[in-house]
Amino acid sequence: DVQMTQSPSYLAASPGESVSISCKASKSINTYLAWYQEKPGKTNKLLIYSGSTLQSGTPSRFSGSGSGTDFTLTIRSLEPEDFAVYYCQQHNEYPLTFGSGTKLEIK
Amino acid sequence: EVQLVESGGGLVQPGRSMKLSCAASGFTFNNYDMAWVCQAPKKGLEWVATISYDGSSTYYRDSVKGRFTISRDNAKSTLYLQMDSLRSEDTATYYCARQGREWYFDYWGQGVMVTVSS
Repeated sequence: DVQMTQSPSYLAASPGESVSISCKASKSINTYLAWYQEKPGKTNKLLIYSGSTLQSGTPSRFSGSGSGTDFTLTIRSLEPEDFAVYYCQQHNEYPLTFGSGTKLEIK
Repeated sequence: EVQLVESGGGLVQPGRSMKLSCAASGFTFNNYDMAWVCQAPKKGLEWVATISYDGSSTYYRDSVKGRFTISRDNAKSTLYLQMDSLRSEDTATYYCARQGREWYFDYWGQGVMVTVSS
């Protein structure tokens, strides 16, 4: 199975700042990496797939990069609604596997 | 608007069975693979199972193989998860998700809680 290591687990930032979240795969997954946002009371939201392709409706302040084993989600100029939990997921092979999550909190 | 609404969760004793349902609307159900993803309390997300758009192919994580069965009724736009021989470690919120052609999940339900306890 492909192990996904996500870091950091917790991240505190202020609105307007930029942050980056890392996701590392235990073997190459090409560019097949998705990012999700989890917020209380809302359904999970797909932000990015295939490493860098923004899902329809995802604001342009979100960006994804990387290939092979190392990937990054960057959020520029944080908005209040961005404070949430973020997960990465490899969609290269079964079993599909997720990172352990990053909780982004307001500083 | 795509909607996925799960039902059928609750409290069940170890070793017993439970069947989850997911009613889909707002899209052509039989055009999409569908999946179940779970999240144990205070834990991360875990993929459970996937079924192809026509039901001809299924995929499971190792820990549920032989105990869980994913199925679908395209006439009713409904996805199912039959869970047998339940264990305490199956306790989780179970999410129904639409699976994109490249195996990411583009829409999710709100989830249904399953608690396995005596």
